Amino acid sequence: KQEVTQIPAALSVPEGENLVLNCSFTDSAIYNLQWFRQDPGKGLTSLLLIQSSQREQTSGRLNASLDKSSGRSTLYIAASQPGDSATYLCAVYSNTGNQFYFGTGTSLTVIP
Amino acid sequence: DVKVTQSSRYLVKRTGEKVFLECVQDMDHENMFWYRQDPGLGLRLIYFSYDVKMKEKGDIPEGYSVSREKKERFSLILESASTNQTSMYLCASSSNTIWWGYTFGSGTRLTVV
Repeated sequence: KQEVTQIPAALSVPEGENLVLNCSFTDSAIYNLQWFRQDPGKGLTSLLLIQSSQREQTSGRLNASLDKSSGRSTLYIAASQPGDSATYLCAVYSNTGNQFYFGTGTSLTVIP
Repeated sequence: DVKVTQSSRYLVKRTGEKVFLECVQDMDHENMFWYRQDPGLGLRLIYFSYDVKMKEKGDIPEGYSVSREKKERFSLILESASTNQTSMYLCASSSNTIWWGYTFGSGTRLTVV
């Protein structure tokens, strides 16, 4: 079964810093990887989707990379803002199992 | 704007009650999913459906059932609610091509007392 790990579980940074969130997965046979944002008590909002054939995706201040062979993805947030404070989850869609497997998330706090 | 809509944001039910959680999507997606989310445990898949009237068990189906009579609607049923089913429930949908990944609803916070 696919296992997805996100480290650190929590991160606190001052406003304006660039930061990296990490996601690792145990089975490299994936179709794609998706990064989500979740605000407290809310559902998940999709940020970026990377296909297995891609190395990275960018949206605004966000850049997600994928290294399938090593089972790793990173989410880079440039010039962080207090509004970026949320929990960030990654999910991988495995070739086996036909479902997304989720990490437990990184809780990000950006201090003004 | 495409949407996955969960009928209730907050629900409080009594132990033993039969509970229905409704999810509707307007994207003509084939696949629909129900997850529960608990602190420290992340998202766990309860049931999913690839087509109308089809259902598959996820990782934690015990105590739950589902119904998908129409393509756009996927219902989660707690046959006899228990306090350990207090949780955040999240519905998601996706197309068969999976190129767009999952789209989630806003969640239902269920409290069983």
